[in-house]
Amino acid sequence: GAVVSQHPSRVICKSGTSVKIECRSLDFQATTMFWYRQFPKQSLMLMATSNEGSKATYEQGVEKDKFLINHASLTLSTLTVTSAHPEDSSFYICSARMQGEREKLFFGSGTQLSVL
Amino acid sequence: KQEVTQIPAALSVPEGENLVLNCSFTDSAIYNLQWFRQDPGKGLTSLLLIQSSQREQTSGRLNASLDKSSGRSTLYIAASQPGDSATYLCAVKSGGYNKLIFGAGTRLAVHP
Repeated sequence: GAVVSQHPSRVICKSGTSVKIECRSLDFQATTMFWYRQFPKQSLMLMATSNEGSKATYEQGVEKDKFLINHASLTLSTLTVTSAHPEDSSFYICSARMQGEREKLFFGSGTQLSVL
Repeated sequence: KQEVTQIPAALSVPEGENLVLNCSFTDSAIYNLQWFRQDPGKGLTSLLLIQSSQREQTSGRLNASLDKSSGRSTLYIAASQPGDSATYLCAVKSGGYNKLIFGAGTRLAVHP
């Protein structure tokens, strides 16, 4: 089956630092990747949609200068949380849509970010 | 604005029980509805996907139904097992949006 690898699984950082999260589709090409954040006991909230080779589309209320998304290839998208603050602490999950498949999404295992 | 609600928020049952998890959505103009499973601190695994033209989908002990007109879906789990313990999320894809709208999930605990 299709596998999406997300790294790191857990990161703890000091306030003010930047953190990069990687999302890779291991055995398929992903023209579109999605980034979500999830607070405890709450639903996943879509942050942005990234398409390979173009700028990401951010959801309303998501700061694009704070959450930098790069989708440089058909197998890799990165989310960089810049100048992280404690309120950015959350669970971040990526998903990838397989090229040619409109409905199937494959999810990474998530990254738990804790900002001290 | 599409909103998805799941009831109950949490459920604890003994092994062997048949379960029904509920999902409701406010805008009936959906493209499809999916049920996912999420284990603690993990990503999501797709369980069942129901297109708007379908009424139900089955996979093993799981059966999902869709009543688009009333804005409801149910996930039926037969003969529950401890390994079914997880959070179950439903998500809808609305016709005008290229994204999934998730409910907050039902946290299921099946004890031996």
